[in-house]
Amino acid sequence: NAGVTQTPKFQVLKTGQSMTLQCAQDMNHNSMYWYRQDPGMGLRLIYYSASEGTTDKGEVPNGYNVSRLNKREFSLRLESAAPSQTSVYFCASHRGADYGYTFGSGTRLTVV
Amino acid sequence: KNQVEQSPQSLIILEGKNCTLQCNYTVSPFSNLRWYKQDTGRGPVSLTIMTFSENTKSNGRYTATLDADTKQSSLHITASQLSDSASYICVVAQNTGTASKLTFGTGTRLQVTL
Repeated sequence: NAGVTQTPKFQVLKTGQSMTLQCAQDMNHNSMYWYRQDPGMGLRLIYYSASEGTTDKGEVPNGYNVSRLNKREFSLRLESAAPSQTSVYFCASHRGADYGYTFGSGTRLTVV
Repeated sequence: KNQVEQSPQSLIILEGKNCTLQCNYTVSPFSNLRWYKQDTGRGPVSLTIMTFSENTKSNGRYTATLDADTKQSSLHITASQLSDSASYICVVAQNTGTASKLTFGTGTRLQVTL
């Protein structure tokens, strides 16, 4: 049972480059989330998808776009990467608001 | 502003000893409070979830308490092991109808040594 799988695990981008972070879950969860984690700060919500076909902005959506491709997959795209987007990105999912979230192992992104 | 504050920021204890981590929050309206364990280089893993009516919940050697009146929670680790070395994150949830909104603390970094 893989849970939440994120790819890639590490990435280095030059300023202005684009890339897509992939996330897939095999637990049949409806809701999926993208967070970023920066030193000295709690995880911050970038975008979320409460169910297949819907997406909504979180706390820090600027510079990102998302796609809920199907119930399993939720991708995060950086159209023009900036050094301020250097961070560790986590995808998460859950089956209901009162249940624990399952997190992926993260993507460590460095923008130079 | 919704906030979750944790103390201490970091803690070093000897293997076999107990420790208690603190969490104060100002999130409103409150739905539930969660404790997560995050190993270095990994995603957070859920330890406990407590609703308003629960004041204690255990998961093995981990026991969480919640005082919803004072908006405080603690995580007690009994008979610590080297594998307990990790960051422990307190998270408070608000239900928004279609999805929950989480406010994360910055975590307590625990190191267990021989």
